[in-house]
Amino acid sequence: EIVLTQSPGTLSLSPGDRATLSCRATQRINSNYLAWYQRQPGQAPRLLIYGASNRASGVPDRFSGSGSGTDFTLTINRLEPEDFALYYCQQYSDTPWTFGQGTKVEVK
Amino acid sequence: QDQLQESGPGLVKPSETLSLTCTYSSHGGYFTRYAWHWIRQSPGKGLEWIGIVLIGGVTNDNPSLNGRASMSIDSTKNQFSLRLKDVTAADTAVYYCARWNNGLDVWGPGTTVTVSS
Repeated sequence: EIVLTQSPGTLSLSPGDRATLSCRATQRINSNYLAWYQRQPGQAPRLLIYGASNRASGVPDRFSGSGSGTDFTLTINRLEPEDFALYYCQQYSDTPWTFGQGTKVEVK
Repeated sequence: QDQLQESGPGLVKPSETLSLTCTYSSHGGYFTRYAWHWIRQSPGKGLEWIGIVLIGGVTNDNPSLNGRASMSIDSTKNQFSLRLKDVTAADTAVYYCARWNNGLDVWGPGTTVTVSS
């Protein structure tokens, strides 16, 4: 099973800052089959990025994904108030599909 | 807007079978075009992928469930289902159904299932 480790656990930032979230896999993720999700309290996750770097429909361009192999990054430029949330990475390179434990982006 | 909705009992007794159904509603999206997933989150834990069901009934489930999960699909009703047998307290969770379309792009709101006598 591919284990995904996200860091940091919590990121304390101010609106307008840039957020850089990391996701590291225990095995190579083939074809960059990695997605990122945003989760607001009490809601289901929302797809942000698929294929490591492709924004999902309707996702603002301040969200960007990068990386390959075992190391992936989600960058959020110019944090907006609605961006303070929990973020998960998820791999679909191999079954069982797995999620990272999440990074919380909170207001400093 | 495409939507998913989970349904099923909120309380299941230990050793019994948990049964959930997910219903897809769409303005033009084709149910048979997509792959369908179940995911859960237990209290204080992360998201756990349960499995996938495809049109035609092909499934793949998480080995961590030790063969207790089975999934089915009914394209005539735009529904797919999860059955988890021999449940224990460890199966208490919020259960989500989701659509795969270059990512899990549509999720149900989730349904809480508690395993307790």
